[in-house]
Amino acid sequence: GESVGLHLPTLSVQEGDNSIINCAYSNSASDYFIWYKQESGKGPQFIIDIRSNMDKRQGQRVTVLLNKTVKHLSLQIAATQPGDSAVYFCAENRWDNFNKFYFGSGTKLNVKP
Amino acid sequence: DGGITQSPKYLFRKEGQNVTLSCEQNLNHDAMYWYRQDPGQGLRLIYYSQIVNDFQKGDIAEGYSVSREKKESFPLTVTSAQKNPTAFYLCASKKGNSNQPQHFGDGTRLSIL
Repeated sequence: GESVGLHLPTLSVQEGDNSIINCAYSNSASDYFIWYKQESGKGPQFIIDIRSNMDKRQGQRVTVLLNKTVKHLSLQIAATQPGDSAVYFCAENRWDNFNKFYFGSGTKLNVKP
Repeated sequence: DGGITQSPKYLFRKEGQNVTLSCEQNLNHDAMYWYRQDPGQGLRLIYYSQIVNDFQKGDIAEGYSVSREKKESFPLTVTSAQKNPTAFYLCASKKGNSNQPQHFGDGTRLSIL
């Protein structure tokens, strides 16, 4: 399998618990943020996005929170399931270049049955 | 189904050899990208293309080349000048020139023989 996930921060949760994965960004020009899920040996899958004019956005079992004051983004997964085990990373996009994305290194989520 | 297809899934390169990674999309997306992923690191941009017959260098373009002769296709050549080519290569595409998420293929794993 892929070696994606080596040397990454790891979050271990019990099945059924809620998970919170965090991401910090540094550039004030960032105004669009995306969370991706990457399973071993596969490409990243889009989970949810949020624009800087919002503080919170909800999807199915997932919520993204954006705190622009401290430049912090979080992904909350409700009722975590074994299928949620993967590497999660955030991406930011800046208003001055829609084609350039900046990616975090990711957090590995382990869901214990 | 619409999506991004990368081939091959696994590729081996001999010393001094150039190899080409294929990326095809049927999403009718204008922009396409190539990233390199190494263990424990965020995605790093190699090249991107906003329209046919035009492309720009990313952060780590040395040792790589691309072409964009068709909207659907954005092949990446890893040349012999790239001395550390072993990595997971991801192709992505995006619709339009605005805040939109990138969609990824399932990657090509390149190793040195």
